[in-house]
Amino acid sequence: GAVVSQHPSRVICKSGTSVKIECRSLDFQATTMFWYRQFPKQSLMLMATSNEGSKATYEQGVEKDKFLINHASLTLSTLTVTSAHPEDSSFYICSASGALGFQETQYFGPGTRLLVL
Amino acid sequence: DQQVKQNSPSLSVQEGRISILNCDYTNSMFDYFLWYKKYPAEGPTFLISISSIKDKNEDGRFTVFLNKSAKHLSLHIVPSQPGDSAVYFCAASANSGYALNFGKGTSLLVTP
Repeated sequence: GAVVSQHPSRVICKSGTSVKIECRSLDFQATTMFWYRQFPKQSLMLMATSNEGSKATYEQGVEKDKFLINHASLTLSTLTVTSAHPEDSSFYICSASGALGFQETQYFGPGTRLLVL
Repeated sequence: DQQVKQNSPSLSVQEGRISILNCDYTNSMFDYFLWYKKYPAEGPTFLISISSIKDKNEDGRFTVFLNKSAKHLSLHIVPSQPGDSAVYFCAASANSGYALNFGKGTSLLVTP
């Protein structure tokens, strides 16, 4: 199946610093990547849709200036959490759309655990 | 507003028996449904999907059933194995390749 990687897998940072998370599709080109976050014992919540070469589309309630998304190539999207605060501590997961037969299926990265102190 | 609902937060099944995980949705525009398996601190792993033109899709031990009129789908795992123990998420989209709406997950425990 399609492989999506994320880096780093875990990051601890001080409040006020910025953190960049990379999402790569390793064996396929993804014109669309998605960013989700998951709080403990809750569902995955879509944050934004990232299209290669264009601006990301953010879900309601997600601050675009705080969560900067860049999708510069067909295999790489980055999420930067700017001026991180403890409430930003969460599990961030990206996914990339790849074709499974005639249907496009989303393949997920392993996730990044962010802890803001 | 939760458009995809998994009303059973947990399920325990004996090894070798059938596991049935249920999912309901409210948005009639959804036409593509997926099941993912997830371990703690890992990303979801795709299991099986079904489009609205079908009512059943089978892949090995996994079968997904879709009842469009009831806006209900289910995942059957048979026979269940201890390695199947994980959280299972139901997801839906209005078109394949579009953003997914997830349920809250059902934690499956398969006991020896």
